[in-house]
Amino acid sequence: GEDVEQSLFLSVREGDSSVINCTYTDSSSTYLYWYKQEPGAGLQLLTYIFSNMDMKQDQRLTVLLNKKDKHLSLRIADTQTGDSAIYFCAEIVSGGYNKLIFGAGTRLAVHP
Amino acid sequence: DVKVTQSSRYLVKRTGEKVFLECVQDMDHENMFWYRQDPGLGLRLIYFSYDVKMKEKGDIPEGYSVSREKKERFSLILESASTNQTSMYLCASSLQGFPFEAFFGQGTRLTVV
Repeated sequence: GEDVEQSLFLSVREGDSSVINCTYTDSSSTYLYWYKQEPGAGLQLLTYIFSNMDMKQDQRLTVLLNKKDKHLSLRIADTQTGDSAIYFCAEIVSGGYNKLIFGAGTRLAVHP
Repeated sequence: DVKVTQSSRYLVKRTGEKVFLECVQDMDHENMFWYRQDPGLGLRLIYFSYDVKMKEKGDIPEGYSVSREKKERFSLILESASTNQTSMYLCASSLQGFPFEAFFGQGTRLTVV
């Protein structure tokens, strides 16, 4: 079945890099996503990667995709306190109609 | 500025009540979704709609129904609220095509007592 898994917590020091990992099950997913949820808010799209790409870089964000292992990661360089949030990995599942399946979310805590 | 608006931030309802959660989007999106968010479980899809008057069950539709009479509005209905439906409810909308970016509302925290 469809499943997206990610670890629940990550704690990093301000200025260090953060790496959030995710595994997914649907090998036919055409796009994979990272969403960010700040306290008291809905989710906001951070970045996405097309399945025929291995890497995508967007300022401090780097997304790596390993299709063979169905593994997706998000690296945040120079992590700041404003990066503290929950990060959700998501995949597109097509079964007639496209729908987004989300992981449980990784809570990133940035400390001085 | 794109917007998905949920009618309430916080709701407290009694067990057995019929509860309506409303969601409106102003982006002319075809798709609309209702998720519930619980700690450690992430977002789980309850129902989605790809067109007016159309609906599809998600992964956890039991105890819920939906209504989409107009393109911009998608309502989630709890027919008879129960305490295990206490949760954060998130509405989202998107266009049909890729990259399928979903825009979310701010969420409604529902407590059933």
